[in-house]
Amino acid sequence: DAGVTQSPTHLIKTRGQQVTLRCSPKSGHDTVSWYQQALGQGPQFIFQYYEEEERQRGNFPDRFSGHQFPNYSSELNVNALLLGDSALYLCASSAYRNQPQHFGDGTRLSIL
Amino acid sequence: AQSVAQPEDQVNVAEGNPLTVKCTYSVSGNPYLFWYVQYPNRGLQFLLKYITGDNLVKGSYGFEAEFNKSQTSFHLKKPSALVSDSALYFCAVRDLGSSNTGKLIFGQGTTLQVKP
Repeated sequence: DAGVTQSPTHLIKTRGQQVTLRCSPKSGHDTVSWYQQALGQGPQFIFQYYEEEERQRGNFPDRFSGHQFPNYSSELNVNALLLGDSALYLCASSAYRNQPQHFGDGTRLSIL
Repeated sequence: AQSVAQPEDQVNVAEGNPLTVKCTYSVSGNPYLFWYVQYPNRGLQFLLKYITGDNLVKGSYGFEAEFNKSQTSFHLKKPSALVSDSALYFCAVRDLGSSNTGKLIFGQGTTLQVKP
């Protein structure tokens, strides 16, 4: 039974570019949450998707957007990349409103 | 607003000794509390949770946590530490705001170093 899978593993971009990160939830899960983990920090909630809609959003600018597909997989898009966007981006899945959330291994995004 | 605090950046313990990683929380209402572990270049692995019931919660890999409502604490413990327990540990609380989506609020993390 595959857990949460994320792609790519690593990504290097330059300032101003756009990036798309992908997540496939654990089998049986219908809810996907995205977190940003800066170096030396705890994960910070970006947003959550359920039934292809954004259900809750954290304190992140509109440059961060997402999407959920009918098969429950999800994408995180970040536009106009800034140096401060360099972080590990974690995807977590669960059954809606249930716990615990299961995390993928993340995408390490580096902005040059 | 809900929050958690992990007062120690690092905890050092000798292999075979008991370990404690501290967490305090601030919530309005009954807390839903979690511990996760993160190994280098990996995501977070769930260890245990407290929703309701017994104050001593048992989890994966021999870890347990003690919920103390009067001290608003949820400390992670293990009777005998292993070198392989060395990792970054996060305490988290479920946000019980109006959206109630299960959003997690994490502490800053505590690095556990177990020496042979």
